[in-house]
Amino acid sequence: AQSVTQLDSQVPVFEEAPVELRCNYSSSVSVYLFWYVQYPNQGLQLLLKYLSGSTLVESINGFEAEFNKSQTSFHLRKPSVHISDTAEYFCAVGGNAGNMLTFGGGTRLMVKP
Amino acid sequence: EAQVTQNPRYLITVTGKKLTVTCSQNMNHEYMSWYRQDPGLGLRQIYYSMNVEVTDKGDVPEGYKVSRKEKRNFPLILESPSPNQTSLYFCASRAGGDYEQYFGPGTRLTVT
Repeated sequence: AQSVTQLDSQVPVFEEAPVELRCNYSSSVSVYLFWYVQYPNQGLQLLLKYLSGSTLVESINGFEAEFNKSQTSFHLRKPSVHISDTAEYFCAVGGNAGNMLTFGGGTRLMVKP
Repeated sequence: EAQVTQNPRYLITVTGKKLTVTCSQNMNHEYMSWYRQDPGLGLRQIYYSMNVEVTDKGDVPEGYKVSRKEKRNFPLILESPSPNQTSLYFCASRAGGDYEQYFGPGTRLTVT
């Protein structure tokens, strides 16, 4: 069985400040890790993914996440956030039967001017 | 344009009235799945399908049915909807050799 825990349901932060959204997972099989973003009233978009290789993965809009196997974590970071980053972020793990995804409860990032 | 479409986008219905939410993808993906999104719970998988005529239960299948008669379509059926099925529903698909899932725009269902 797999599970994902996002420790913070809401993260308020001022514009241009750094941010970290935390994600911990548990799984008995090899894992593939994902961060999805959901902007208001929209569907989910893939932000970044870890499948294998380098444990640090980056997105095109400045986010990065690091796979830490010993701590079973996949935290999402950005050194300087923008108002447009306001959204809900979901961490997910794949690798189970059918390789469908198990999601965390989501973290609402609220960027304030 | 590669996409997953869902219809309807919004639906208000009454308890016990059968309904179907359609999902279609134009990417020739083998895998398709349905999730429901509820505040604080993230997305939970309802059913998934690995190919035509192959479906399996996810984490919260009670009260739902699916079918996969064609590769591109994966409808979600609520035979007798109840208020606890009020939720935001997402359909997703992925290719067999890939791990990235593509999501539809969502269907907001309210059961009164």
